[in-house]
Amino acid sequence: AQSVTQPDIHITVSEGASLELRCNYSYGATPYLFWYVQSPGQGLQLLLKYFSGDTLVQGIKGFEAEFKRSQSSFNLRKPSVHWSDAAEYFCAVGAFAAGNKLTFGGGTRVLVKP
Amino acid sequence: GAVVSQHPSWVICKSGTSVKIECRSLDFQATTMFWYRQFPKQSLMLMATSNEGSKATYEQGVEKDKFLINHASLTLSTLTVTSAHPEDSSFYICSARGGSDNQPQHFGDGTRLSIL
Repeated sequence: AQSVTQPDIHITVSEGASLELRCNYSYGATPYLFWYVQSPGQGLQLLLKYFSGDTLVQGIKGFEAEFKRSQSSFNLRKPSVHWSDAAEYFCAVGAFAAGNKLTFGGGTRVLVKP
Repeated sequence: GAVVSQHPSWVICKSGTSVKIECRSLDFQATTMFWYRQFPKQSLMLMATSNEGSKATYEQGVEKDKFLINHASLTLSTLTVTSAHPEDSSFYICSARGGSDNQPQHFGDGTRLSIL
């Protein structure tokens, strides 16, 4: 069975600073990897996804993520954070063999200081 | 594109009543829809997967008689919480996926269910 770990429960960054959110996964085959963002009381918005090919993936809102197979990681980055980036971020792995059901990490809450 | 609408966004009802939540894909055909439950400050837990025209597949520990799922068309799935009790209060989120398995899931905005 697949699993996802987001080691950081909370991260506080200053506006304009860079942001990196960690994600480690466990899956026996090549995974489908996703990052979603959730604002309070709302659903999830897809930031980016990795299926194959280039390991550096560009997403919306200036986010990017890098798939590192050797480290089983898919960390999310943004060079300069805006106050509107304050939200909960979820990393997820999809298991193709199981109809691509998603397994989510525990989430990382990002707080942005002015 | 890929908009998923979930309705209602918030519902309060008395214990013992049944509540229906709708999930619609507005601009694509959703061959598969998923229902999740999210407790405060926690991650999403998959409840069930439904494919259009067939019975839903429930995750272990989810009562299929309590949480009835119908996926009658390629754009609509419903979750009915039957005889709801306070412990069923939660945030329920649906997602929809079109085409092949490697397509991403697109999520609705969720429904906050409060049972008094």
